[in-house]
Amino acid sequence: DQQVKQNSPSLSVQEGRISILNCDYTNSMFDYFLWYKKYPAEGPTFLISISSIKDKNEDGRFTVFLNKSAKHLSLHIVPSQPGDSAVYFCAAQRRMDSYDKVIFGPGTSLSVIP
Amino acid sequence: GAVVSQHPSWVICKSGTSVKIECRSLDFQATTMFWYRQFPKQSLMLMATSNEGSKATYEQGVEKDKFLINHASLTLSTLTVTSAHPEDSSFYICSARAGGRVGEKLFFGSGTQLSVL
Repeated sequence: DQQVKQNSPSLSVQEGRISILNCDYTNSMFDYFLWYKKYPAEGPTFLISISSIKDKNEDGRFTVFLNKSAKHLSLHIVPSQPGDSAVYFCAAQRRMDSYDKVIFGPGTSLSVIP
Repeated sequence: GAVVSQHPSWVICKSGTSVKIECRSLDFQATTMFWYRQFPKQSLMLMATSNEGSKATYEQGVEKDKFLINHASLTLSTLTVTSAHPEDSSFYICSARAGGRVGEKLFFGSGTQLSVL
């Protein structure tokens, strides 16, 4: 039973265009959402997050949108660059938990074509 | 950012042997470390939470006698896969939390690919 879903295993985008990575979750108790980026042979690194009290968070070229009613979030990368090619993991957390697990989605592999 | 070192990066072993994987926080103290397992094209599945100086907390369905976790110091946690079998072949990755409870403070090792023959 996957609580965090990323239905697109891969995505290809032309350099300079927008990349949109989607994520859906099933647990309405999640109140914090994160995106991690992973290059081959490296561990995931934190990219951007959003609290459930917001619907948008922006950091440079990266923007995360949250639609709580739809239990959906998306990561927008504008403009996309070849160095953005990586696997992106969506993750969710219940911050009120004393046992603060981070639940990961399966990842989406992004390829930015020069 | 903080650095987490995981060793070895890959290991091949015979069925029935035990394999130890180390996870070290190099420039910070981590009272809590997490161990994940990832099958191809699947999520990072949390296996257990390793707490310094106390017993690890295992997720449902994870055999604690098979996956022994030791967190003897604030910078080192180890995962030992005991009597490994081919079905244990997987990608194992650790993370350490550098303070706080939010996910931004999770720093990951580079992972260990285990192949059991």
